[in-house]
Amino acid sequence: AQSVTQLGSHVSVSEGALVLLRCNYSSSVPPYLFWYVQYPNQGLQLLLKYTTGATLVKGINGFEAEFKKSETSFHLTKPSAHMSDAAEYFCAVSDNGGGSYIPTFGRGTSLIVHP
Amino acid sequence: GAGVSQSPSNKVTEKGKDVELRCDPISGHTALYWYRQSLGQGLEFLIYFQGNSAPDKSGLPSDRFSAERTGGSVSTLTIQRTQQEDSAVYLCASSFTSGGQETQYFGPGTRLLVL
Repeated sequence: AQSVTQLGSHVSVSEGALVLLRCNYSSSVPPYLFWYVQYPNQGLQLLLKYTTGATLVKGINGFEAEFKKSETSFHLTKPSAHMSDAAEYFCAVSDNGGGSYIPTFGRGTSLIVHP
Repeated sequence: GAGVSQSPSNKVTEKGKDVELRCDPISGHTALYWYRQSLGQGLEFLIYFQGNSAPDKSGLPSDRFSAERTGGSVSTLTIQRTQQEDSAVYLCASSFTSGGQETQYFGPGTRLLVL
């Protein structure tokens, strides 16, 4: 069984400020972890994913996330927010190939960027 | 190349009517997923097709929901006798597995409103 908790349904930052979106997971097996972004009226777009290897994962648009097994976390960060980053962000977990790959998604965090 | 496409993009229907939602996956992708995204909620898994295997229907919320995938490509999600609680965005994703790792690509979704 697996689950994802995204802390904070809304996160508000000023343009140029650090972005931190929190994700904690539970999984009975080593996980695959994903962050997706959803812009208004669009589908989900993969930002980055962790499967194996390096625990710090870099994705598109300057985002990165670090897999911390001891904290069961996969928080998403970006050093400097842009207005164009305003969107809904989803964290997801799936098992690492031992099952059906069906990911479990968090409820999402809406990122609001103020000028 | 072309991404995942879904049609219609928006659908308004009356309670009790049947609706069909279509998903055209990326060519060559063997796996196809349907999800439901309700307002303020995360993605709810509905059904998963993988190649010629029997689909995983474990996420379908009731027997009013069904889906098929013809020729391993296009998929149709059918909701019979629609209810107001069926109003949501229905997302389709297709994926391929390479080196034991899977990446999902999402369509833009169909926004269903049941009056």
